[in-house]
Amino acid sequence: NAGVTQTPKFRILKIGQSMTLQCAQDMNHNYMYWYRQDPGMGLKLIYYSVGAGITDKGEVPNGYNVSRSTTEDFPLRLELAAPSQTSVYFCASSYLRLGGVDTQYFGPGTRLTVL
Amino acid sequence: AQSVTQLDSHVSVSEGTPVLLRCNYSSSYSPSLFWYVQHPNKGLQLLLKYTSAATLVKGINGFEAEFKKSETSFHLTKPSAHMSDAAEYFCVVSDSGGYQKVTFGTGTKLQVIP
Repeated sequence: NAGVTQTPKFRILKIGQSMTLQCAQDMNHNYMYWYRQDPGMGLKLIYYSVGAGITDKGEVPNGYNVSRSTTEDFPLRLELAAPSQTSVYFCASSYLRLGGVDTQYFGPGTRLTVL
Repeated sequence: AQSVTQLDSHVSVSEGTPVLLRCNYSSSYSPSLFWYVQHPNKGLQLLLKYTSAATLVKGINGFEAEFKKSETSFHLTKPSAHMSDAAEYFCVVSDSGGYQKVTFGTGTKLQVIP
């Protein structure tokens, strides 16, 4: 199993450009998540999905969009990049078991800089 | 509503001495609690988790944590620090209620001095 994969690893964008961060998992997990990590701030949830066709906002969804057309893939779209979106982005997946969310498995991250 | 507070942003220990990383939580339901570790420029990896079974949870690399409901705490400990333990540690809470939300603490950076 490859686990959770993310592409690209690094990207520099100009203000106003758009891009899609790719995320895929091969563990047949129903839950998938997108987080951003800013220095000293921990991880903030951007969007999450409980299964194909179902997505919902997290704490910091403004400026981002997601889709979940398959169980495996959960891309994150930035439409009009802004310097405030400079961050490291992590995708994660997990099972939802009886009693709550199970262990999250994280991708290696995408380091995005907006200039 | 749920929240998690990591009481120390930085902890510094000497190699071979005990490690204590503190975490307090609040939750409206019976929570699941996790500790994750992040080494520099890497993704996060699970250290251990509490999911309403034994209150003393053992994880990888000699770490353990004790769930104390009366104190709403889930502190992470290790008897003897190794240089390879230097990393950032995150405490995470997840409610078992109908809305399965996951909340991360702000992290504790552990420095191990040789």
